[in-house]
Amino acid sequence: RKEVEQDPGPFNVPEGATVAFNCTYSNSASQSFFWYRQDCRKEPKLLMSVYSSGNEDGRFTAQLNRASQYISLLIRDSKLSDSATYLCVVQAFTEDSNYQLIWGAGTKLIIKP
Amino acid sequence: DAMVIQNPRYQVTQFGKPVTLSCSQTLNHNVMYWYQQKSSQAPKLLFHYYDKDFNNEADTPDNFQSRRPNTSFCFLDIRSPGLGDAAMYLCATSRGPSTSGAHKRDTQYFGPGTRLTVL
Repeated sequence: RKEVEQDPGPFNVPEGATVAFNCTYSNSASQSFFWYRQDCRKEPKLLMSVYSSGNEDGRFTAQLNRASQYISLLIRDSKLSDSATYLCVVQAFTEDSNYQLIWGAGTKLIIKP
Repeated sequence: DAMVIQNPRYQVTQFGKPVTLSCSQTLNHNVMYWYQQKSSQAPKLLFHYYDKDFNNEADTPDNFQSRRPNTSFCFLDIRSPGLGDAAMYLCATSRGPSTSGAHKRDTQYFGPGTRLTVL
C-alpha cells in the first residue's frame, strides 16, 4: 500500500458543479496536511493547509478525518481555471524531530464548459 | 516578486555530460529541497539541506549531488546524466520544522522548475 494515495482521475466535471476528492495516508503519526495545485508543466503551489477542524477558503473546503486517515478537498461552483492536478502532501514528525514528507501522485481535474 | 528562482528554466544536455542546476531564494528559509518530477508522477524528494546539514534520501542515486554554499543558494549537480534523468527538477524552500509552534506546519514554496532534456 502506498503511503499516500490519490485517485489519479481525470475527473471530468462541468463548469459550476461541485467536485470532491480524497487522499488517504498510511502513517497514523502524520501531523500536517496540505493540498497543492499544479498546472501542466508548472511548479506545485500551495492551495491550502488542512486543519483538524476543517477549513474553508472561498470555494474550497478541506477536511481531515484522522480516524479513517484521509483528507478531502471539495471545490464548489467549479471554474474552468480550476483545471489542474491536485496533490496532497502529508507531513509527519519523528521522535528525533526529523520529519517525513510524502507526496501523493495527484488527482487530475478537468473542468468542462 | 519571485521568491524561489531557478536557473535555467530549460536545460538540454548530452548523455553523460555533467550539468548543474541552480536555485536561489529571497525568503531566508532554513531548508532547501531538490525534487525530481516526471510526467504524471508525484515530486520525488532527492535531498534537502537544513541550514548546512545535508540529508540524502536513501534511494537517491549517487549520480546526484548537491551543494549549498550559503543560505540563499543551492545547486543540483548531475554528474553523468542518463536518459532516465530527463525530468522537471523542482527546488523548494521552507522555514524548517519544529515540534511545536508555527514551524510545526512547515509549508514549502517552490521555484518554477528546470526542465532537463538529455539527448
